[in-house]
Parts: sequence; C-alpha cells; structure tokens
Amino acid sequence: EPEVTQTPSHQVTQMGQEVILRCVPISNHLYFYWYRQILGQKVEFLVSFYNNEISEKSEIFDDQFSVERPDGSNFTLKIRSTKLEDSAMYFCASSGAFGYTFGSGTRLTVV
Amino acid sequence: AQSVTQPDIHITVSEGASLELRCNYSYGATPYLFWYVQSPGQGLQLLLKYFSGDTLVQGIKGFEAEFKRSQSSFNLRKPSVHWSDAAEYFCAVGAPTGGFKTIFGAGTRLFVKA
Repeated sequence: EPEVTQTPSHQVTQMGQEVILRCVPISNHLYFYWYRQILGQKVEFLVSFYNNEISEKSEIFDDQFSVERPDGSNFTLKIRSTKLEDSAMYFCASSGAFGYTFGSGTRLTVV
Repeated sequence: AQSVTQPDIHITVSEGASLELRCNYSYGATPYLFWYVQSPGQGLQLLLKYFSGDTLVQGIKGFEAEFKRSQSSFNLRKPSVHWSDAAEYFCAVGAPTGGFKTIFGAGTRLFVKA
C-alpha cells in the first residue's frame, strides 16, 4: 500500500535555528498537509497545499512557518527560527479522490 | 463550528472484555469520519473510515464503528480487547471533497488490565 514518507524521524535543533521537515506524499495525490501534535495533546491542522499554493492555514501557521513543493515529489515544512514551544510531532499527509494518508511523523525537539 | 468530542479522556478495560469508545462530531455537511490509533511516541495508524453507505464499518484489528447521523456519533467498538490494544485512540472528521483538513478529537487513552 502506498505510504507517505517523512524524514527525518527525529530531529533535535537549537532554539533560533531553522529546520526543514521533509515529506514525500503519495504520488497521485494532489493535496498535501502538515499537522502538529504537541506531546500529550491532540493533532492540530497547520496548513493545506494544492496546486503549488497554500489553500488553507490555521492560526498556528504564522510567519515563522512556510511550506514548499520544491520538486515533483517532495513537500517541505520550514520553521525559520525555532522556539521551545515548537517541540512536537509533525505529521505530513496527502489526499486524493478517496484516500487520505498520514506519514509516520517527525519528532522535533527544540533545545 | 466543526469539532470532534471524545468524552472519555481515558478508559480501563479488562483483557477479553468488550470496548466502546465514544465520539461525537459537529459538522455542517455529510462528514468523512475516521478512527486512528497511536502508540506512545509513534505515528497515526488508520483503524477505519466512513465515507458513505453502510453505517457499520469494519476496520483492522477487529475494530468496528457505527455512524449514527441522528446522534452525530461515530463510536468505536471491539468485542474482545487484547493487551496490545492499549494505546491512544483519536476520532477525526473531514469534508467529503478533496483538500479537506482533518479535525481530531482530544483522544481517549485505553488501558488494558490483565
């Protein structure tokens, strides 16, 4: 079964540093998403992306965040200047006509 | 506003006993409904989903869920719980068209006692 692949699985970064989380969505899916789950809390929507532009974003997705589809296969989330409160599990997802699939997540730890 | 409510923060059941996890949703249109399971520190695994048709849906690991439109509910059930079912369970709702975001409930932590 097709999978959404996320790399790295774990990332530790220093506060103030930029970090890029990477995702390879399912190849025939057209919609891409990022979600965040702070430890012990529920999964929260960050942003959706379609046709090379953001289609919806939450209030969490402020100016420190950006998304990009740099080529035909990758979908990235960039956090420009990380803060301690950015520590969380970040999930990428993609969807097509009847499929909606989450990746296994990247655990980001900001120290 | 769109929302998902899981009234039980945690539930403890004995191994071999039946399980029902509750989920209520608020959504303006016909929803897509999902149940995910998450083990500690791990990703989300889809247990089952409801898009349309038969309101009783079967999923993996022996789980099933029933969509009740009149009650805005999508409760998850399993007739006999195994110790390996101990995990966090999330109910989620989305829109029936492409590009929808998924809205998650707060989750129910399941503990299984021997």
